[in-house]
Amino acid sequence: DVKVTQSSRYLVKRTGEKVFLECVQDMDHENMFWYRQDPGLGLRLIYFSYDVKMKEKGDIPEGYSVSREKKERFSLILESASTNQTSMYLCASSLLGGKQYFGPGTRLTVL
Amino acid sequence: SQELEQSPQSLIVQEGKNLTINCTSSKTLYGLYWYKQKYGEGLIFLMMLQKGGEEKSHEKITAKLDEKKQQSSLHITASQPSHAGIYLCGADIITGGFKTIFGAGTRLFVKA
Repeated sequence: DVKVTQSSRYLVKRTGEKVFLECVQDMDHENMFWYRQDPGLGLRLIYFSYDVKMKEKGDIPEGYSVSREKKERFSLILESASTNQTSMYLCASSLLGGKQYFGPGTRLTVL
Repeated sequence: SQELEQSPQSLIVQEGKNLTINCTSSKTLYGLYWYKQKYGEGLIFLMMLQKGGEEKSHEKITAKLDEKKQQSSLHITASQPSHAGIYLCGADIITGGFKTIFGAGTRLFVKA
């Protein structure tokens, strides 16, 4: 089975801190995605990557950046965390097209 | 996404009852996915539908795709407490490029 892991299940940070969320997949998938999930808004795409060192902005990239130095790892970076970035963050991976496999999520609270 | 509407937003059913969740797209669908999410956890893939009229089942959960209406329905028969959670639909659409969008989810509560 495909496994997508995320570095933390719960994270509490202070406003202005730099935050790294890590995602690793073990199935050699080309595509990797970062979403945030908020009540009533569903999943919103922040960034995605279709290859190493390649990235594309999603619907809400402001305040975030990403890094993909290795195929299996996709990192989401909050350069200066703000309270409105408190959310559930979900990472996913997929082959070219097709269903996405999701990680367990990281619940981030920014105080 | 407003391009993918789910209804109802939440649902409370008595154990043993049947229920239906709908997912409607404002864009042409090229693939439709159903996921289940337990509270505070990641998404678990349930089913994928690609062809109009296609119907798939997994245990007591059946999903259908109506291509004409650009709509999918998820039907649970004889609901159990283990069915409780959030059901999300996702769809492959073309809007300035090929992308996958997700609905806001339907929260299902099953009363024992």
